[in-house]
Amino acid sequence: GAVVSQHPSWVICKSGTSVKIECRSLDFQATTMFWYRQFPKQSLMLMATSNEGSKATYEQGVEKDKFLINHASLTLSTLTVTSAHPEDSSFYICSAKPGTYSYEQYFGPGTRLTVT
Amino acid sequence: LAKTTQPISMDSYEGQEVNITCSHNNIATNDYITWYQQFPSQGPRFIIQGYKTKVTNEVASLFIPADRKSSTLSLPRVSLSDTAVYYCLVGTPSYSGAGSYQLTFGKGTKLSVIP
Repeated sequence: GAVVSQHPSWVICKSGTSVKIECRSLDFQATTMFWYRQFPKQSLMLMATSNEGSKATYEQGVEKDKFLINHASLTLSTLTVTSAHPEDSSFYICSAKPGTYSYEQYFGPGTRLTVT
Repeated sequence: LAKTTQPISMDSYEGQEVNITCSHNNIATNDYITWYQQFPSQGPRFIIQGYKTKVTNEVASLFIPADRKSSTLSLPRVSLSDTAVYYCLVGTPSYSGAGSYQLTFGKGTKLSVIP
């Protein structure tokens, strides 16, 4: 149980275009989902926290107008990278937390974004 | 959020027991300690979680001393497939109603298992 999927697993896009990444909790309802970014050989950096039905909370330094997060249901959150640039190329990982007081958090397999 | 410190890298031969220690001097009373494993180009995978003393599951053991200022992840008889980055995280759910439980990832420990 506790499986989180991401789609697509990898994507290549041209500079200036937008890309949407989906994160789904397959067998549980996730009240909270998190989005991370990981550059090569570096640790995961939390970008934003999203709670179902409310606006996402962005970490300092993350542009909310560039990284649009929508958490429309208890099983789906989307991250849209708008007007992508080569420096946005990275590994994007989502995670989902089942229940408000759960200590557990389950991660998706990640999405490799390459902007040319 | 409590900051964690781990060794940057470790090497071990196959079949040996590996202990990775994490320091978290400013751990809060409600904080739990969680370890994740990450292979290249994959999301982190939960290994084990504990609050105090010792926790054991089918893949690892977690030792936490009484002062909880450190913890040790123990991997018994490692194999080549255990080569990965291991992250120690400390945190607690927010009881304010938002339910956020932010995980702050440190640099992790890159474990290399040698045949």
